[in-house]
Amino acid sequence: NAGVTQTPKFQVLKTGQSMTLQCAQDMNHNSMYWYRQDPGMGLRLIYYSASEGTTDKGEVPNGYNVSRLNKREFSLRLESAAPSQTSVYFCASSETYGGNTIYFGEGSWLTVV
Amino acid sequence: AQSVTQPDIHITVSEGASLELRCNYSYGATPYLFWYVQSPGQGLQLLLKYFSGDTLVQGIKGFEAEFKRSQSSFNLRKPSVHWSDAAEYFCAVYNAGNMLTFGGGTRLMVKP
Repeated sequence: NAGVTQTPKFQVLKTGQSMTLQCAQDMNHNSMYWYRQDPGMGLRLIYYSASEGTTDKGEVPNGYNVSRLNKREFSLRLESAAPSQTSVYFCASSETYGGNTIYFGEGSWLTVV
Repeated sequence: AQSVTQPDIHITVSEGASLELRCNYSYGATPYLFWYVQSPGQGLQLLLKYFSGDTLVQGIKGFEAEFKRSQSSFNLRKPSVHWSDAAEYFCAVYNAGNMLTFGGGTRLMVKP
C-alpha cells in the first residue's frame, strides 16, 4: 500500500541548478499538495492542485513551479535553486480540497550549496 | 499571522509518565483540527482529527485530544508515554482559505 510516493529522497544541488521533485499517489485522490518543512516553522504550503487540471499558489510559492501531470502525479520544479530553498519537501494528497484529511509522502531532503 | 501555535518547542517526559502537548488556534468558525506525528526521517502520520461532534477525540497509538472552543485549544494527551512515542508532533487547522496550516511543532523526548 504505497500511498504517496516522492522522488528523489535526497538531493544536493548547486546554486542556480534546476531540478524536479516527482510525486505520485495511488489513492485516487483529487487534490495534491507540495509543502516545505523548515525547523521551527512547521510545514508551509508551496503549491496545491485542488483537482486535475488546476494549480494554485500556497503560502510560499516564489521560486517554484508545479505541474499536475494527471490525476496521480504532481511535480515540483525549482528552476534556479537558491540556498534558501534548502529544506525538506513533502508531497501530499487528499480526497478533495478543503476540510479533508491530508496524507503525506516520506519527504525529500534537498540541500542547495 | 500564524493560525496555529504550539507553545512548547521541546518537551521531555519519563517513560510511563503522562503527556500533554498544547495547541492553540486562531480561527473564527468551527475549525477542522488535526494532530500529526513525524518520526525522524519520516513523513507525517495522522494521529487524530476533529471535525465536529464529541469534543474528546480518540486517535491511534493511545492518543486523545480535546477541543475546547472557549480556550481555542486542541491539546493532545496520552496517559502513559512509551519510548517509541519520541517524535515531533504537529497540530494543524484548516484556515479560512481552506489551506491546512501547521504549528511549529513540538519535539518530544522520552527518558528511560
